[in-house]
Amino acid sequence: EPEVTQTPSHQVTQMGQEVILRCVPISNHLYFYWYRQILGQKVEFLVSFYNNEISEKSEIFDDQFSVERPDGSNFTLKIRSTKLEDSAMYFCASRERGMNTEAFFGQGTRLTVV
Amino acid sequence: AQSVTQPDIHITVSEGASLELRCNYSYGATPYLFWYVQSPGQGLQLLLKYFSGDTLVQGIKGFEAEFKRSQSSFNLRKPSVHWSDAAEYFCAVGAYNNDMRFGAGTRLTVKP
Repeated sequence: EPEVTQTPSHQVTQMGQEVILRCVPISNHLYFYWYRQILGQKVEFLVSFYNNEISEKSEIFDDQFSVERPDGSNFTLKIRSTKLEDSAMYFCASRERGMNTEAFFGQGTRLTVV
Repeated sequence: AQSVTQPDIHITVSEGASLELRCNYSYGATPYLFWYVQSPGQGLQLLLKYFSGDTLVQGIKGFEAEFKRSQSSFNLRKPSVHWSDAAEYFCAVGAYNNDMRFGAGTRLTVKP
């Protein structure tokens, strides 16, 4: 069964460093998403991406965040200068074309900023 | 913008007992509704979804949910809970483009 793959599963970084979280969506999917879950809290929408551009972003997704689809398979989330409060689980999701389709989630990347 | 309220932060039920997890949503148009389950340290697994049609939807692991437009609710039910159902459950509402908003989650504990 096709699945969304995220790497790494766990990343530790120092405050102020840049991190790139990687996702390989399901191959025929066209819509891509990043969500964040701070430990013990709810899952929060960060950004959606379609047709090589951001279609919607939340207030959390400020200038330190960026997304990219550098080739036909990867979808990345970059955090430019990490802060302690960026420590969270980051989930990538993808969805195929069509209105009545659900998003499939990856297993997540746990980011720890020290 | 859409939003979701899960009124119960934590629920404890005995194994074999029935379960209902509450979810209320706010959205100006016809919502897309989802229930996800998350085991500790794991990702999000889709239990069931509602897009349109029959308001009672069946999902995996014996779960079902009923969409009630008049109450803006999408409660999750299971007639007999198993110990393996202990997890965190998230209700989510999506717009037509599926940009979902999640509720705060309900943690389910199952007593032997």
